Formats: sequence, C-alpha cells, structure tokens
Amino acid sequence: AQKVTQAQTEISVVEKEDVTLDCVYETRDTTYYLFWYKQPPSGELVFLIRRNSFDEQNEISGRYSWNFQKSTSSFNFTITASQVVDSAVYFCALSQPTGGGNKLTFGTGTQLKVEL
Amino acid sequence: KAGVTQTPRYLIKTRGQQVTLSCSPISGHRSVSWYQQTPGQGLQFLFEYFSETQRNKGNFPGRFSGRQFSNSRSEMNVSTLELGDSALYLCASSLEGSESGNTIYFGEGSWLTVV
Repeated sequence: AQKVTQAQTEISVVEKEDVTLDCVYETRDTTYYLFWYKQPPSGELVFLIRRNSFDEQNEISGRYSWNFQKSTSSFNFTITASQVVDSAVYFCALSQPTGGGNKLTFGTGTQLKVEL
Repeated sequence: KAGVTQTPRYLIKTRGQQVTLSCSPISGHRSVSWYQQTPGQGLQFLFEYFSETQRNKGNFPGRFSGRQFSNSRSEMNVSTLELGDSALYLCASSLEGSESGNTIYFGEGSWLTVV
C-alpha cells in the first residue's frame, strides 16, 4: 500500500527564515513519482515539482529546493528566505503507475505560516 | 494556455439532492481525475478517466459517479447527497498517465456545501 507521511502539521516562521517541510513515503513499486503541491486559501493545488524514482538529483529553483533520498524514502522541500506569500498548505504526494493511470496518494499537508 | 477549469466554484445543496460538477482539462490533456478534500479525511482519490473510460476508482460509494466526453471534458455526479459530502472537489488533468511521468495539474475546485 502507498502511504505519504507529513509529520509536521503546522510550521510558523518569521519572514526571511529558511524552512524545510518533511515528507516520508512508503511504496512497494520500484517506479513511482513524487510531487509537491501548494494550496493557498483559494483552494487550487499549485504544482511545484515532480520527481521520478530514478532521479535522485536534488533540484534548486529560485528560493525552492528539494532533497530526494531513496535510502530514507524522503522527499523534503526547503524554502529559503521565506516570504509572507509562501503562507499556504503544502502537500507531498506519491503516484502509483502500477495498473496504469493517475492516482495520487497525498500526505495530510503542512500548514506554513510566514509572519512579518 | 488555460489551466484546468471547474464549474461551479461554489454551490449549496440540500440533503437528498444530487449535484453535477464539471471539469475542463488543459487543452491536449486526455486524463482527468477527481479528488475530494475534507478536513477530516484530507485529499482522497475518487476516480480517473482516460479516453472516455474509467481507468481507476477510489474507495467511494456508488453515489459518486463520473464520465468523460470525447473532448476530454469530465463531469462528476453525486446522488442522494449527505451532509458528509460537503467538501472541496478538485479536478486534475494530465497528458496521459503518471506512468509516463506526466505532471498532474489541478483546478481551483468546486466547494460543495450540503445542508
């Protein structure tokens, strides 16, 4: 069975602080995809990044960076120099290609509050 | 290009009624999936359609159904509404399937309140 755990329910930081959101996943598949989405109060899930299980190269995109480690089944997300506009709920998700199609298993989300 | 579009954005229904939600995927995308988001259960997969065929189904009762049209637009229907069906319903689209490594994009969702 697929499972995604986001142990941090809520994180509060002061603007310009760095913050890391943790994600741990479980799957028996050898091929899988990991996603991070951001959900502002409006409700839309905004795509941030996708990683496949064969690509452990970490990525930096502006103030965002991701650390994917298969050995620990983790896919952590870091925001550098956080801003108030980063306040949202962040979801980590795992997709299972076995059987075909799209089916995302989501974590419970981490509420990030960035204050002035 | 336009993103995933969902209508209506907000609606209020009475217990026992039925509701139909609509989703227009990103142009060229053939896979459409639906998710329910509630404070208690989080984000849960409802079903996925690809080329007008249901390809995956989550663990929801038969009151929840969907369909996809030839232009890839999709609708989901909930019959005999219950208070617990109050939720944000999110539609997502992608080119094909995640097995192809395609990114899955979401719409803004439809907020359903059952009273």
